[in-house]
Amino acid sequence: KAGVTQTPRYLIKTRGQQVTLSCSPISGHRSVSWYQQTPGQGLQFLFEYFSETQRNKGNFPGRFSGRQFSNSRSEMNVSTLELGDSALYLCASSLGRDTYEQYFGPGTRLTVT
Amino acid sequence: GENVEQHPSTLSVQEGDSAVIKCTYSDSASNYFPWYKQELGKRPQLIIDIRSNVGEKKDQRIAVTLNKTAKHFSLHITETQPEDSAVYFCAASGYGQNFVFGPGTRLSVLP
Repeated sequence: KAGVTQTPRYLIKTRGQQVTLSCSPISGHRSVSWYQQTPGQGLQFLFEYFSETQRNKGNFPGRFSGRQFSNSRSEMNVSTLELGDSALYLCASSLGRDTYEQYFGPGTRLTVT
Repeated sequence: GENVEQHPSTLSVQEGDSAVIKCTYSDSASNYFPWYKQELGKRPQLIIDIRSNVGEKKDQRIAVTLNKTAKHFSLHITETQPEDSAVYFCAASGYGQNFVFGPGTRLSVLP
């Protein structure tokens, strides 16, 4: 099976702009979680989607939003970018519901200037 | 909410020695504890996991132990090799809960 894929792999944006990141889970996986990884804060949970519904949400401002489509692909959007949003954004997929094993994508490196 | 602590933050061992990384969690409802290995510039990879109904699990040179009473779990790597050098993350989760990750341990295996 193909692994989790994310696009784009690298992005450079300017403060105030918005950005959309995409994640395609492993075939058959219905849960997608998003994480922000920074050197100082480690892996911080953003949100999780299962069957097109947001199931959990982390402590991030409303500028961070996401959605999931019927084919389980997920997008994450960040509006009004700030310098502090520069990070590696990782998504992870799992079968969902009673299974826990999460498998990560390669990440999208976002740089805000 | 859940809080996961991880120690040490950095660990250096000689090739062939063992390495142990320890994590503690706070939420007694957590019942799934995975370990991820992240090499420089790569994605975190699931290397081993344990559920709360098991006390120990082994996979070749890697083992994880869980003490539910004390709310801590540990990763043990035996016969370390240079390719084991990476950042290791522990995490805790429960049914319907999101993963909470520890801050990571940078392991260096010296030849």
